[in-house]
Amino acid sequence: GQNIDQPTEMTATEGAIVQINCTYQTSGFNGLFWYQQHAGEAPTFLSYNVLDGLEEKGRFSSFLSRSKGYSYLLLKELQMKDSASYLCASHSGAGSYQLTFGKGTKLSVIP
Amino acid sequence: NAGVMQNPRHLVRRRGQEARLRCSPMKGHSHVYWYRQLPEEGLKFMVYLQKENIIDESGMPKERFSAEFPKEGPSILRIQQVVRGDSAAYFCASSPGYDTDTQYFGPGTRLTVL
Repeated sequence: GQNIDQPTEMTATEGAIVQINCTYQTSGFNGLFWYQQHAGEAPTFLSYNVLDGLEEKGRFSSFLSRSKGYSYLLLKELQMKDSASYLCASHSGAGSYQLTFGKGTKLSVIP
Repeated sequence: NAGVMQNPRHLVRRRGQEARLRCSPMKGHSHVYWYRQLPEEGLKFMVYLQKENIIDESGMPKERFSAEFPKEGPSILRIQQVVRGDSAAYFCASSPGYDTDTQYFGPGTRLTVL
C-alpha cells in the first residue's frame, strides 16, 4: 500500500525560508514529486527526485532520502504569491503509473 | 503550446443525471490520467489511459464510472446516475510517455451534485 504524510498547515513570513516535510511508506518506489496548488487551480509541477540528495531550482529546492522514506521542499525568499497548498506525491514505478498524493500542506505567507 | 485542457470547468447535475467530463492532453502527450479531489482530501488516482486503451483503472469505482480515450478526440470520464458523494474536483493529467514522466495537470472540472 501507499501512505504519504505531510503537515496540514504552515505559516511563514515574507522573505523567510520554510521547509515542508513529507514522509512516505510505499510498497514500491520510483520517485517523489512536489506540486504547488493555488486554491481552485490545477496542481503545478515543482520538482522530481528519484535519487538521494538535494535538487535546487531557483528559490525552490527538494531533498530526498530513500532509506528514510523522507523528502522536504525548501522555499527561500518567500513571497506572498507562494501562499498555496504544496502536494507531495510518490510514484510507485514500472507497471503502476499512478501518483499517490498526500493531503497537501497549506502554506500561508504573512507580511 | 497549450496545456492540458478540461471542460467544462464547472458542472452542476441533479441526482440521477449523467456527467461527462472532457480532457484534451498536451500536444505530443499520449498518456492520460484522471484524479479526483474531495474537499479537504488529497488527489486520488482513478484511471490511466493511452489511446484506445485503459491501462490501469484500479482507482475507479466499480459502478457508474467509466473512462475512454478514443483514437480521435478528448478523453472522457463519464459518471452515470450521479449522487451527492460524487461532488468533487476532477483533474486530468497527461504525460508524453509513462513510468517517471512528469504528469501535467489540467485546471479541473468542479462537479456539484444537487
